[in-house]
Amino acid sequence: DVKVTQSSRYLVKRTGEKVFLECVQDMDHENMFWYRQDPGLGLRLIYFSYDVKMKEKGDIPEGYSVSREKKERFSLILESASTNQTSMYLCASSLPAVWYGYTFGSGTRLTVV
Amino acid sequence: QKEVEQNSGPLSVPEGAIASLNCTYSDRVSQSFFWYRQYSGKSPELIMSIYSNGDKEDGRFTAQLNKASQYVSLLIRDSQPSDSATYLCAVMGDSNYQLIWGAGTKLIIKP
Repeated sequence: DVKVTQSSRYLVKRTGEKVFLECVQDMDHENMFWYRQDPGLGLRLIYFSYDVKMKEKGDIPEGYSVSREKKERFSLILESASTNQTSMYLCASSLPAVWYGYTFGSGTRLTVV
Repeated sequence: QKEVEQNSGPLSVPEGAIASLNCTYSDRVSQSFFWYRQYSGKSPELIMSIYSNGDKEDGRFTAQLNKASQYVSLLIRDSQPSDSATYLCAVMGDSNYQLIWGAGTKLIIKP
């Protein structure tokens, strides 16, 4: 069964901490995405990557960075966590053309206190 | 700014009836459209995609696309309580690897 795996289901971090969210896919997909999902706001794109070492800013990149050193792994980094970054974070991957659809990971619910 | 609009709901439908979910989009040149289902506490999963005007059927699900009116809809026939979820509409953006998402419609099927 093909998979996108996010390393943590739930995380609680303190304000100011550096936070790493890891995502690994086993489908050999070129594209990988990080979204956050908040009630009433839907899915908002933070960053995406269409190739190793390539990254593009999404709609809300402020306060975040990403790393893609290997094709299968895409990491989201919160440089200095703040309470307004409390959210559900979803990783997704896809083939180069999205008409095959995205495959999502199970999500990480991050709480910053 | 390209937009995808959905009624947030909740949309309440009796079991066995047809549920109709609607989505409008702002970019007239959009070519590909998707419906994802998201159960509470779970991640979205693709249920239908449609690229051409008209209807596309898959089991109890029918996607309808009208590019002239810039709307896409999802019909669920013989609705079941297990269809209760949030349904997300997505439209391909400028690049062919990025989707633009609606905020979703919450559907409740009442037994």
